[in-house]
Amino acid sequence: EIVLTQSPGTLSLSPGERATLSCRASQSVSGYYLAWYQQKPGQAPRLLIYDASSRPTGIPDRFSGSGSETDFTLTISRLEPEDFAVYFCQQYGSSPLTFGGGTKVEIK
Amino acid sequence: QVQLAQSGAEVKKPGASVKFSCKASGYSFTTYYIHWVRQAPGQGLEWMGIIHPSGVTTRYAQKFEGRVTMTRDTSTSTVYLELSSLRTEDTAVYFCARRAYYGDYLDYWGQGTLVTVSS
Repeated sequence: EIVLTQSPGTLSLSPGERATLSCRASQSVSGYYLAWYQQKPGQAPRLLIYDASSRPTGIPDRFSGSGSETDFTLTISRLEPEDFAVYFCQQYGSSPLTFGGGTKVEIK
Repeated sequence: QVQLAQSGAEVKKPGASVKFSCKASGYSFTTYYIHWVRQAPGQGLEWMGIIHPSGVTTRYAQKFEGRVTMTRDTSTSTVYLELSSLRTEDTAVYFCARRAYYGDYLDYWGQGTLVTVSS
């Protein structure tokens, strides 16, 4: 199975700053089949990005995804107060589906 | 709007079984697969399996083969997950989530069901 490693584990930033989150795969993810989710305490995850760089309707354009094969990035251009949360990546290029361990974005 | 409403929290003893539900509304139930994902306290997300509401297709993560059963009731637009031979390490929040139409990413999630396994 594909193992996804997210870094850093925790990112301490201030509102208005840029956040760059990494997701590295143990083998190539076929077809750009990588998604990003945001999760706040006590809530279900929310889809932010799919197919590595596509945003669902309703997701603000400050969220962007990039990358291919084994290296993927989620960028939040300017952090809003509501963006402080945990972020997970997920690959769906091969079975089983797997998730990264998460990156917590906390207020500095 | 699309909603996945999950049943309430459960407390079980080791060795027991648990069955909980995920009721879909706001879309065509028979068109979209449903995934199940769990999250142990303070941990990441773990994929358990997938079911098509037609009931024809189910696929389970190897880790849960033999212990998990996913079923559906099309008359009530509900999918179920049953997990048997519970262990303390099965304590987690269990989420159902809808597979997007074009790929195995998860576009809508239920609110989660907390299962606590304790003697």
